Amino acid sequence: GESVGLHLPTLSVQEGDNSIINCAYSNSASDYFIWYKQESGKGPQFIIDIRSNMDKRQGQRVTVLLNKTVKHLSLQIAATQPGDSAVYFCAERAGGTSYGKLTFGQGTILTVHP
Amino acid sequence: ETGVTQSPTHLIKTRGQQVTLRCSSQSGHNTVSWYQQALGQGPQFIFQYYREEENGRGNFPPRFSGLQFPNYSSELNVNALELDDSALYLCASSSSPNYEQYFGPGTRLTVT
Repeated sequence: GESVGLHLPTLSVQEGDNSIINCAYSNSASDYFIWYKQESGKGPQFIIDIRSNMDKRQGQRVTVLLNKTVKHLSLQIAATQPGDSAVYFCAERAGGTSYGKLTFGQGTILTVHP
Repeated sequence: ETGVTQSPTHLIKTRGQQVTLRCSSQSGHNTVSWYQQALGQGPQFIFQYYREEENGRGNFPPRFSGLQFPNYSSELNVNALELDDSALYLCASSSSPNYEQYFGPGTRLTVT
């Protein structure tokens, strides 16, 4: 079956450092990947997405890298701030479906120390 | 433009009871997806509604059912509640079934 997993369940960094959160996925048919940020007591917040025909996409302070050869996804956060502290989820969507079912990984807890 | 809203925020029910959770989609969105998030886990897809019809379903039993209304708001109904149904229930809306999903704050359901 399909699954999305994270290598590191927790990540602790100092303010100003760059953070890298990793994710492995198993469904080679996935064509769309998203990173979400979830703060305590809130729903997941869309950060950035990437389609399978790309290997890199940049946003404001964030970059997502996709390596389809090894089925690996990463989220890079530049100059991490205390407000970035949250749980980060990667999610995938299988291609060829008529509906947007997202399969989420278990999450990585990012803690940013001032 | 208002975001996705859900009600109630918290709910406590007894095993065997039934519950209805509500979701209002973001303006301009015609698709609503529901997810269950157990403590310490990622969200799991329950089902999706598009133009008032179920448009895909995850691995959840039939006692999980839903509705979508003409204004694209949606309800999630759970019958015969079990202790394991305790979770955060999230809805997400999108402008089309395969487009970006934007999540609401969730409803925290506790079954005792």
